[in-house]
Amino acid sequence: ETGVTQTPRHLVMGMTNKKSLKCEQHLGHNAMYWYKQSAKKPLELMFVYNFKEQTENNSVPSRFSPECPNSSHLFLHLHTLQPEDSALYLCASSQENTQYFGPGTRLTVL
Amino acid sequence: GIQVEQSPPDLILQEGANSTLRCNFSDSVNNLQWFHQNPWGQLINLFYIPSGTKQNGRLSATTVATERYSLLYISSSQTTDSGVYFCAVVTGGFKTIFGAGTRLFVKA
Repeated sequence: ETGVTQTPRHLVMGMTNKKSLKCEQHLGHNAMYWYKQSAKKPLELMFVYNFKEQTENNSVPSRFSPECPNSSHLFLHLHTLQPEDSALYLCASSQENTQYFGPGTRLTVL
Repeated sequence: GIQVEQSPPDLILQEGANSTLRCNFSDSVNNLQWFHQNPWGQLINLFYIPSGTKQNGRLSATTVATERYSLLYISSSQTTDSGVYFCAVVTGGFKTIFGAGTRLFVKA
């Protein structure tokens, strides 16, 4: 599905770097989500924004900092990450019920 | 919190076979979706099905909310059906919980 785009698709970063993941949805939805998918684990909800307001923060460490400037864009700012943060980070959007996912950013922390 | 359990964890089918995947959840939910994750990581919506039965081509799904389970049926499986199938439930607000998935491999 091309309604939700994510950049970059792949990212390798050191533990001292600062980087940002970007998500954009072209579906006119009001809610946007960040998920983390680690190997051998279910998708974990990180954050939800509805009409730019954060409605869910699933006890995510402060080294992950979300930003939602408008209903179409969602960022995840990363700093001083750990190797165990290496995972596929997925963005989704929804209007009421059905969530639509982007292709993900595969993050490797060295 | 709510628990979501999927079975079986792994499934190998011969092309053309039928299968049933199950999702059990431990509490009432507002919303249930089935997704297929392809080998490149893309999650594709299959069904939004908090209750009742829906069909889309070779796939169908049934959710019995009062008994807290949902079933995904795949008929006449094809190699392109391979991947991981997830169910996800939404409790209050936007809180979404995914099951661990069923990894399906369809052999030619």
